[in-house]
Amino acid sequence: SQQGEEDPQALSIQEGENATMNCSYKTSINNLQWYRQNSGRGLVHLILIRSNEREKHSGRLRVTLDTSKKSSSLLITASRAADTASYFCATTTGNQFYFGTGTSLTVIP
Amino acid sequence: EAGVAQSPRYKIIEKRQSVAFWCNPISGHATLYWYQQILGQGPKLLIQFQNNGVVDDSQLPKDRFSAERLKGVDSTLKIQPAKLEDSAVYLCASSPLAAGTDNEQFFGPGTRLTVL
Repeated sequence: SQQGEEDPQALSIQEGENATMNCSYKTSINNLQWYRQNSGRGLVHLILIRSNEREKHSGRLRVTLDTSKKSSSLLITASRAADTASYFCATTTGNQFYFGTGTSLTVIP
Repeated sequence: EAGVAQSPRYKIIEKRQSVAFWCNPISGHATLYWYQQILGQGPKLLIQFQNNGVVDDSQLPKDRFSAERLKGVDSTLKIQPAKLEDSAVYLCASSPLAAGTDNEQFFGPGTRLTVL
């Protein structure tokens, strides 16, 4: 399966700390995206990084991509209680679109 | 701009019954996706449409699942007959770009299906 695997499965941090989650995938990709899912709700797109990019920033989010290692990381700086959610990476290969297994982030106020 | 609409939000049926889900994408979005998300897992793509044509349905269990997107706008996903393992949240998403591009997807709230 092309599905990405995320690490860790669950992460609990104090408000104000940084959160880092990782995604590994199996085959070459066109791009990699990160989505957030709050409990019981649909997914929200956070950021997209193309296969020829190595790093991208958006507000408090920083994404890196290492295509040689087939891995990506998402860093959330200065976390807030509102960042509590599940985070999924998703890869695009041709017309195929695969979500990872997700990291459950809890930010403790 | 209105988001992706889905109905119903919740559905409870018994196994072997039929069920249908409806999705109205964001106006003007060319690509529409249906996903199945089992509790504790990431969404799994079932089928994607570009306008009213199927781009990919390789992960759709075609013996029981079917989907259509008439006139390239609304879409319905049907399960007939349902099995216990079909219990999941069914998510619909749309995107303004063609499939396979840098395609940010906009998701609806999902339909939570429970099969008893």
